[in-house]
Amino acid sequence: DAGITQSPRHKVTETGTPVTLRCHQTENHRYMYWYRQDPGHGLRLIHYSYGVKDTDKGEVSDGYSVSRSKTEDFLLTLESATSSQTSVYFCAISYQMGSGNTIYFGEGSWLTVV
Amino acid sequence: QKEVEQNSGPLSVPEGAIASLNCTYSDRGSQSFFWYRQYSGKSPELIMSIYSNGDKEDGRFTAQLNKASQYVSLLIRDSQPSDSATYLCAVNMGSGNTPLVFGKGTRLSVIA
Repeated sequence: DAGITQSPRHKVTETGTPVTLRCHQTENHRYMYWYRQDPGHGLRLIHYSYGVKDTDKGEVSDGYSVSRSKTEDFLLTLESATSSQTSVYFCAISYQMGSGNTIYFGEGSWLTVV
Repeated sequence: QKEVEQNSGPLSVPEGAIASLNCTYSDRGSQSFFWYRQYSGKSPELIMSIYSNGDKEDGRFTAQLNKASQYVSLLIRDSQPSDSATYLCAVNMGSGNTPLVFGKGTRLSVIA
């Protein structure tokens, strides 16, 4: 258990509404990530954070924003949800392992935009 | 473009056989390589990591790395129906905490 909690776990929302997904960690890790997973595309990085108020864009950041005001929470916001943002969203944290680092995932948030 | 390629499958093997999963990556300077298992409706879980050329064994799993060929593989010995899942190859194409790049995954089905 990597101590990651995602909320909500499941959400249905309407096109055009804002949505915020929360990732909470209990182990004080510096690096946190948001990925989305879609059939035919695999896992793709949306945004990541390397510390409080320090974030950077990933491969598919358009339409998403993030915030990290404290170490334990990393928020992903869809400013105006679209049907193309229907997906499973995974938060992850980075662990030092051996000579490198790896990541551990939260349980996922299933988002449906109708 | 930094890419990780995997055969999508499905790969079907009989129970007790060896399953062989393959992955290639585009960045020759990559240093860290990982295999994740993902059951349907669940999050990916880390099962193997490898950093040096050669083989690394952990129970029924063996990861193999060939940096010259930019190739990583995962062997599962004595495959069980419970091994049926999607296996994701992930590569750190930078240093330290650079976000991992994932392949699209290979679906494995172990037939009892």
